[in-house]
Amino acid sequence: NAGVMQNPRHLVRRRGQEARLRCSPMKGHSHVYWYRQLPEEGLKFMVYLQKENIIDESGMPKERFSAEFPKEGPSILRIQQVVRGDSAAYFCASSPLGSDEQFFGPGTRLTVL
Amino acid sequence: AQSVTQLGSHVSVSEGALVLLRCNYSSSVPPYLFWYVQYPNQGLQLLLKYTSAATLVKGINGFEAEFKKSETSFHLTKPSAHMSDAAEYFCAVSDGGYSTLTFGKGTMLLVSP
Repeated sequence: NAGVMQNPRHLVRRRGQEARLRCSPMKGHSHVYWYRQLPEEGLKFMVYLQKENIIDESGMPKERFSAEFPKEGPSILRIQQVVRGDSAAYFCASSPLGSDEQFFGPGTRLTVL
Repeated sequence: AQSVTQLGSHVSVSEGALVLLRCNYSSSVPPYLFWYVQYPNQGLQLLLKYTSAATLVKGINGFEAEFKKSETSFHLTKPSAHMSDAAEYFCAVSDGGYSTLTFGKGTMLLVSP
């Protein structure tokens, strides 16, 4: 059973471009969480999704950021018009129905030039 | 609202010495508590978790943690440090179930020969 997959592992964008980060949860997991880790900070919750539903987006910046988890395919975290402050590691975690444990992917490290 | 405080951003020990990483939490409901380890450029791996059962929790790699409600603490210990334990350690709290995780800022464990 493969773990949580994230791609790309590293992403470089120039200011104003769009960044798309993908997360494939573990097989059988129906819940996906996105977290952001800024340099020398802990992980901060961004959004929690189930298939085709956003359950909690209280940690998402109000502008430029969006997330989806379609019926088919990976979960996508989209950042429009990136700025230097968006440079961070973005982690996805998944969990199965009824579980309190989250399994983390290796992260996508976004660098905005 | 929940919060986690990890005392000491860096802890240095000698190989074979006791490891003690401190974590204090704040929660308005009975908490679920977790310790994760992060190796460089990797995702987070669960070490152990407390979910209202036994207060002394044993995890992987010889680590354990004790939940002390009166002190609102969940400190991580290991009797004898190994070089391979050098990593960053994160304490996290949730209110269980599908709840999101609130992380501390992390403690970098340095192990010297």
